[in-house]
Amino acid sequence: SQKIEQNSEALNIQEGKTATLTCNYTNYSPAYLQWYRQDPGRGPVFLLLIRENEKEKRKERLKVTFDTTLKQSLFHITASQPADSATYLCALRSTNQGGKLIFGQGTELSVKP
Amino acid sequence: GAVVSQHPSRVICKSGTSVKIECRSLDFQATTMFWYRQFPKKSLMLMATSNEGSKATYEQGVEKDKFLINHASLTLSTLTVTSAHPEDSSFYICSARGLGQGRSNEQFFGPGTRLTVL
Repeated sequence: SQKIEQNSEALNIQEGKTATLTCNYTNYSPAYLQWYRQDPGRGPVFLLLIRENEKEKRKERLKVTFDTTLKQSLFHITASQPADSATYLCALRSTNQGGKLIFGQGTELSVKP
Repeated sequence: GAVVSQHPSRVICKSGTSVKIECRSLDFQATTMFWYRQFPKKSLMLMATSNEGSKATYEQGVEKDKFLINHASLTLSTLTVTSAHPEDSSFYICSARGLGQGRSNEQFFGPGTRLTVL
């Protein structure tokens, strides 16, 4: 069956450390993968997009990797800050899903001062 | 950046009434708009996809007569929850994917509408 999975357990880290979030998928052929941030009671905010032929993408303190062999994307926040605390969603757009964006369940990140 | 707005942000209605939610792309033209539903601590569930000027495509299990979607222009889509019931209470989020400025793959989300049906 098709699945897109993120670590459902909340991730608690200390300020200044690097947060690493994981997104794994099975039985999809993603054209690209996106990462979003969602705060409570708000809509998701787009962060980064990485295509199937890209290994890594960076934006300021954010880095995303995409390994189509492992069927995994990693999302890193370096020098984390309490303001980075939120739920992070990965979503993939698959070539065999009519262009729909399919979401993982999200990982809640808490950065302690 | 690309901005998607939703109105209202919060609505409370009585059971049996209809509620309309508007979604607008403010600074780009949205060829495709999406409507999602999200339950607490859960992921976004796609309800339907609409392309400007054509009928919406609904996901399996979503009642098209209950959730009416209109995508009348490249900047506006509406979702009407008809004859609302308490089980329709949820967080509804729209999203838009657009034309130009390299935005054809990126999908931007509105701030969401919290619907409570009494």
